Amino acid sequence: DQQVKQNSPSLSVQEGRISILNCDYTNSMFDYFLWYKKYPAEGPTFLISISSIKDKNEDGRFTVFLNKSAKHLSLHIVPSQPGDSAVYFCAASSGGSQGNLIFGKGTKLSVKP
Amino acid sequence: DAGVTQSPTHLIKTRGQQVTLRCSPKSGHDTVSWYQQALGQGPQFIFQYYEEEERQRGNFPDRFSGHQFPNYSSELNVNALWLGDSALYLCASSSSDRGYYEQYFGPGTRLTVT
Repeated sequence: DQQVKQNSPSLSVQEGRISILNCDYTNSMFDYFLWYKKYPAEGPTFLISISSIKDKNEDGRFTVFLNKSAKHLSLHIVPSQPGDSAVYFCAASSGGSQGNLIFGKGTKLSVKP
Repeated sequence: DAGVTQSPTHLIKTRGQQVTLRCSPKSGHDTVSWYQQALGQGPQFIFQYYEEEERQRGNFPDRFSGHQFPNYSSELNVNALWLGDSALYLCASSSSDRGYYEQYFGPGTRLTVT
């Protein structure tokens, strides 16, 4: 049973436009959410996170939105750049798990020049 | 500032053998977690070490064991390797002072079992 779902295996966006990556979760005990970016042959790189007490967190070109009632979060990248092309993983954790991260399967983003 | 390092980069083993993977955490971090990433999947939590003890464990058999040393580095041991153990093994470190959630990953060890 997948607790964190990324239903889009891939996404293609034009350079300069907005990229929106989506993530759904089923466990209402999750209270912290993270996005990681992964290039081939590298480990995942932490991008941005959000606590369940917030509904938005922004860091430069990256913004994460959390809709707790819908159990849905999204990552917005504006403007998208070719260097953003990578696999993006959504991850979630609950306070009691002390950092055990549950990952989605990832979405491969391709930003075309 | 060195990030998380892992060794070796690649490893090929035969079914039934044993393997040891190593990880050095990011400077200032005291907690190490291990994940297995199969092809086309997200990383799956194996276990976490803090203060040289296994604090949490995911849904992995006892063939998977680990250790944390006083300098916070860690080892992952897998006994009686199966073909299904072929995967990318990721080590992540975090700081107990700053919360366990923001984990920083190493480049991984690619294990192939033949």
